[in-house]
Amino acid sequence: LAKTTQPISMDSYEGQEVNITCSHNNIATNDYITWYQQFPSQGPRFIIQGYKTKVTNEVASLFIPADRKSSTLSLPRVSLSDTAVYYCLVGANSGNTPLVFGKGTRLSVIA
Amino acid sequence: DVKVTQSSRYLVKRTGEKVFLECVQDMDHENMFWYRQDPGLGLRLIYFSYDVKMKEKGDIPEGYSVSREKKERFSLILESASTNQTSMYLCASRGAGMNTEAFFGQGTRLTVV
Repeated sequence: LAKTTQPISMDSYEGQEVNITCSHNNIATNDYITWYQQFPSQGPRFIIQGYKTKVTNEVASLFIPADRKSSTLSLPRVSLSDTAVYYCLVGANSGNTPLVFGKGTRLSVIA
Repeated sequence: DVKVTQSSRYLVKRTGEKVFLECVQDMDHENMFWYRQDPGLGLRLIYFSYDVKMKEKGDIPEGYSVSREKKERFSLILESASTNQTSMYLCASRGAGMNTEAFFGQGTRLTVV
């Protein structure tokens, strides 16, 4: 499984766009990039997944450059309720492969 | 609505006790996982199972065992609880298909005194 590196923490004011970058230099050809979100005292939940270029859903956008050695999770106009830990995972594209989480990025949104 | 249910939200046990943490999923998923989460250490995989009666060690299996007798249920067992096993325990399940997402339970906060 590709190792990932992401910032330990970030702060943002309400209403700003937040970009969290994840580095994954050893990503394999078949690997997908997946992000999970974890609120305090809850289990993580899936928010977005992509392979290349850009993916957008109702929660976030995911930008993946051509070399796929990094990816950026973009949260538009964050609110206090977006305060959470965000995990970047690479690989595990087969359901029988365990998901390996790093330490994630703790995002704190300030009013 | 898909669901992964852990039997207890909070649990307090004494050192040396045998502890069972139960997890049930209603999505007919093949794969189930147990993690523990500690401040500053993220989620660490203890054990996972990709089929009934099958199990694989994760990164930190020492002091734990698991049981999967039925597809929907995955149990984590602490044979002799110790204070360093005080933690948040999270169960997850996932289908066998490609790029499937994992669903997590609400977690069990275990305190060993």
